[in-house]
Amino acid sequence: GNSVTQMEGPVTLSEEAFLTINCTYTATGYPSLFWYVQYPGEGLQLLLKATKADDKGSNKGFEATYRKETTSFHLEKGSVQVSDSAVYFCALSPQGSGNTPLVFGKGTRLSVIA
Amino acid sequence: DAGVIQSPRHEVTEMGQEVTLRCKPISGHNSLFWYRQTMMRGLELLIYFNNNVPIDDSGMPEDRFSAKMPNASFSTLKIQPSEPRDSAVYFCASSLRGAANEKLFFGSGTQLSVL
Repeated sequence: GNSVTQMEGPVTLSEEAFLTINCTYTATGYPSLFWYVQYPGEGLQLLLKATKADDKGSNKGFEATYRKETTSFHLEKGSVQVSDSAVYFCALSPQGSGNTPLVFGKGTRLSVIA
Repeated sequence: DAGVIQSPRHEVTEMGQEVTLRCKPISGHNSLFWYRQTMMRGLELLIYFNNNVPIDDSGMPEDRFSAKMPNASFSTLKIQPSEPRDSAVYFCASSLRGAANEKLFFGSGTQLSVL
């Protein structure tokens, strides 16, 4: 079946540190891949996406590259800020999914300290 | 557009009481999803609708939970009777093209506490 595995948190970093949050997936065919972010007290919102192999999604300084050979979609940011503190969810949309909803990972909590 | 609107933001109730959570999706969206979020289980999909029709309710934990979507602009999630283990944040989300559309728009959630 389709599944997403994320590194467990929480992740605590100092401001301006480099961030990596690992995400691997299991799916048939060529799914689309996403990162959603949940800020405190809010719902999830789309951060970035990639729809085919070797695509790089980017937004707000965050990047993730769709690696089919390693079935991964790791989230990176070169210099985190306190305002990046949130929970990050990796997700996939199966290929030809029709009525199949997104499959989310369990989320990784990031805390950035000044 | 005001986004997905959920009410109430917070609900505190006693075990055994009926709880009704409400959601207004973004106008024009044709799919609606109910999720539950807890520390232990993460984000769980409870049920989703396409064009007001329930498509998959396999995530609904038990018969105490029910959801309706009487029209394109309103949905409810009801828990009767409520139990302490139902305490969680419940999110509603909507999308435009159906369940295959990756861009979900989430509401701010309802924090439910069952005492």
